Amino acid sequence: GAVVSQHPSWVICKSGTSVKIECRSLDFQATTMFWYRQFPKQSLMLMATSNEGSKATYEQGVEKDKFLINHASLTLSTLTVTSAHPEDSSFYICSASAVTDTQYFGPGTRLTVL
Amino acid sequence: AQTVTQSQPEMSVQEAETVTLSCTYDTSESDYYLFWYKQPPSRQMILVIRQEAYKQQNATENRFSVNFQKAAKSFSLKISDSQLGDAAMYFCAYRSRGAQGGSEKLVFGKGTKLTVNP
Repeated sequence: GAVVSQHPSWVICKSGTSVKIECRSLDFQATTMFWYRQFPKQSLMLMATSNEGSKATYEQGVEKDKFLINHASLTLSTLTVTSAHPEDSSFYICSASAVTDTQYFGPGTRLTVL
Repeated sequence: AQTVTQSQPEMSVQEAETVTLSCTYDTSESDYYLFWYKQPPSRQMILVIRQEAYKQQNATENRFSVNFQKAAKSFSLKISDSQLGDAAMYFCAYRSRGAQGGSEKLVFGKGTKLTVNP
């Protein structure tokens, strides 16, 4: 149980285009989903927290207009990187939690912006 | 704000031996959760073990156990009978119990890279 999927696992896009990443909880209803960014050999950096049906709460320094988060259902959250640039290239990870205390993580998405 | 410190950037262990990874944290809260996550080269974050602060008994999961010292704010992970598949980055994480249930965010340490030598 407690499986979280992410799609796509790897995406390459041109500078200036937008990319959408999906995060799904497959076998439980996720009241909260989290989006992280991870640079090589570093820890996870929380970008935002989203609750189903509510606006996401962004961490300080994260551009909400660049990283659009939608959590339309209890099993799906999406992260859209708008007008992507090479500096947005990174590894993006989502996690999901129900009303309990444990976050379960997706396998991550590698974004490369050319 | 809570902080989590992992003082060992890298550790190595011989296969079948035991290794302990250190984690300390700083908080003024009395009720919280602590976690160890493993991130192998695939980069999939995998929950290894969780500890509830109000439980004095140390959590165990097969070969993985913790030494939770609440007064010292220490939460070390012991891996017994190390296997090649244990090689990974290990992250210690703190989470407030809070009033928001699953909405509380995790505070991560910087991680410890564990190498298992055959």
